[in-house]
Amino acid sequence: KQEVTQIPAALSVPEGENLVLNCSFTDSAIYNLQWFRQDPGKGLTSLLLIQSSQREQTSGRLNASLDKSSGRSTLYIAASQPGDSATYLCAVMFSGGYNKLIFGAGTRLAVHP
Amino acid sequence: GAVVSQHPSWVICKSGTSVKIECRSLDFQATTMFWYRQFPKQSLMLMATSNEGSKATYEQGVEKDKFLINHASLTLSTLTVTSAHPEDSSFYICSARVLAGLAYEQYFGPGTRLTVT
Repeated sequence: KQEVTQIPAALSVPEGENLVLNCSFTDSAIYNLQWFRQDPGKGLTSLLLIQSSQREQTSGRLNASLDKSSGRSTLYIAASQPGDSATYLCAVMFSGGYNKLIFGAGTRLAVHP
Repeated sequence: GAVVSQHPSWVICKSGTSVKIECRSLDFQATTMFWYRQFPKQSLMLMATSNEGSKATYEQGVEKDKFLINHASLTLSTLTVTSAHPEDSSFYICSARVLAGLAYEQYFGPGTRLTVT
């Protein structure tokens, strides 16, 4: 079964810390992996998309890495800010079938001043 | 970038009635669309995959007679929740996928919050 797991489930940190969110997936046959942000009661905001041929992507204070062979991805957030508080979702598009995008359960991040 | 819209953004209905949610790709054509459901404080669960002009493929445990999906054109997919009950109250999010060069990209709508009373 194709599954995506995220650790930790929740994280509370003071402002300014550098953070690492982890995502693991069960099948290395993937098309891509995507990190999203979701604010309470809202839809999804795409943060970073890593194609299967890539190792990492960067956008501002965010950096995402992908290691297909070990089935892992990390999202690194530098110099966290209170505005970064949200749920971060990792989603993997597995190959085969209809190439479905499967989501992890998310990491709820709270950055306090 | 590509935009996906959903209508309505929120809906309240009485138990036993049916509700239709529309998902549109505004500036691109999508042969494949997906419907997800999200319960409070949980992640998105894929309900079904919808291909234009053919029947939807439902995930295990999703009742196809209850959640009717129609993908009549390359820019529109609809989800109809039939005989809705309070346990169907959830946040429904659609997604449209395109092939950009050799890579798939998937774009999400803003979601529809359904409350069944």
